[in-house]
Amino acid sequence: AQKITQTQPGMFVQEKEAVTLDCTYDTSDPSYGLFWYKQPSSGEMIFLIYQGSYDQQNATEGRYSLNFQKARKSANLVISASQLGDSAMYFCAMSPYGNNRLAFGKGNQVVVIP
Amino acid sequence: ETGVTQSPTHLIKTRGQQVTLRCSSQSGHNTVSWYQQALGQGPQFIFQYYREEENGRGNFPPRFSGLQFPNYSSELNVNALELDDSALYLCASSPGGTGDYGYTFGSGTRLTVV
Repeated sequence: AQKITQTQPGMFVQEKEAVTLDCTYDTSDPSYGLFWYKQPSSGEMIFLIYQGSYDQQNATEGRYSLNFQKARKSANLVISASQLGDSAMYFCAMSPYGNNRLAFGKGNQVVVIP
Repeated sequence: ETGVTQSPTHLIKTRGQQVTLRCSSQSGHNTVSWYQQALGQGPQFIFQYYREEENGRGNFPPRFSGLQFPNYSSELNVNALELDDSALYLCASSPGGTGDYGYTFGSGTRLTVV
């Protein structure tokens, strides 16, 4: 079974600043994928970034980057140059290779203030 | 290309009733997964359908059942509704098979059981 831990309380971040969201995970699977999703108040889960467990380099997607430390089993999301539209819940998730079910953490609330 | 659409968006049911939620998968996607997201929690995997067959199930009782149709749209049925079934139900589609991670989520159906 997989377990995702997101323990940060709600965060306020100044517009244009960077924010780091912590995620640690636990799994016995040798190969897996890690994901970050954004969920605005509308409810839709919006895919942000993916990191494979065997990827040597940290994933980046525009203003999003994933700080992957495999030995520590952490997959922190960094959002650079925060925008007001970044205000949302952010979920870390993982899935073993060959298994399409996602295990999610409890999420981090981010509020960007002008 | 259309995304994942779910209907209805909101629903209120009485304890003991039955409910059917619907999901139209993204064009080209043959795999549909259903998730339950209780208030303040991350989504929990209910089950997945791949080419009209159930392809994995989470820790949910048999009163949660599903179908996938030849056009890859899907239904989630919940019988004998309980108050704890109140949640946001999310559908996600992907191009299918194992090891593919192109999950696209819908905006969900918010179910309230009274």
